[in-house]
Amino acid sequence: GAVVSQHPSRVICKSGTSVKIECRSLDFQATTMFWYRQFPKQSLMLMATSNEGSKATYEQGVEKDKFLINHASLTLSTLTVTSAHPEDSSFYICSATGQGKSLDEQFFGPGTRLTVL
Amino acid sequence: KQEVTQIPAALSVPEGENLVLNCSFTDSAIYNLQWFRQDPGKGLTSLLLIQSSQREQTSGRLNASLDKSSGRSTLYIAASQPGDSATYLCAVSDNNDMRFGAGTRLTVKP
Repeated sequence: GAVVSQHPSRVICKSGTSVKIECRSLDFQATTMFWYRQFPKQSLMLMATSNEGSKATYEQGVEKDKFLINHASLTLSTLTVTSAHPEDSSFYICSATGQGKSLDEQFFGPGTRLTVL
Repeated sequence: KQEVTQIPAALSVPEGENLVLNCSFTDSAIYNLQWFRQDPGKGLTSLLLIQSSQREQTSGRLNASLDKSSGRSTLYIAASQPGDSATYLCAVSDNNDMRFGAGTRLTVKP
């Protein structure tokens, strides 16, 4: 199998602050990482697709200046929620696929629950 | 710890057939269950979301059922088409995290 970790698992922050979430592939090189979020009682929705070394591709309706994604290495992608507000409170989860893995396979991190006060 | 299993791992059917994909989970204390479609190299597309208080959801040719007490969900696809070929994932959520099954790889042959 393949392992993807996320850090932190939970974060509580004040409105207006920025929060960085890390997604790491522990035992394979992730050429592509995906970021998702799920609001309470809603479906998990894709936010952006991140390919190592290039700019992320954002889904319609996701503000790229608010949700900064960096995928500077083959094992790490970060999502920074800038100037977070209560409406950004959500469950954020990443997944990864990459070298030696089928394009059909995505490996999911455990998720990060963000609460903005 | 929640475990999610999907059966079968792979399925190949001729176009036009109705088919059922299965998802089982070990802990019935779930918040919701979702079915997703995954195309190679792409992010997940949400198909259906069933809240814990619901028994089924329908969208077009898709119908998903949920039986919490037995820890099962099924995704029914009617009149399958080659464009339905993809990997289908189910995921269960509680208040803390989300667990995915390994997926069923569906091939619909013309």
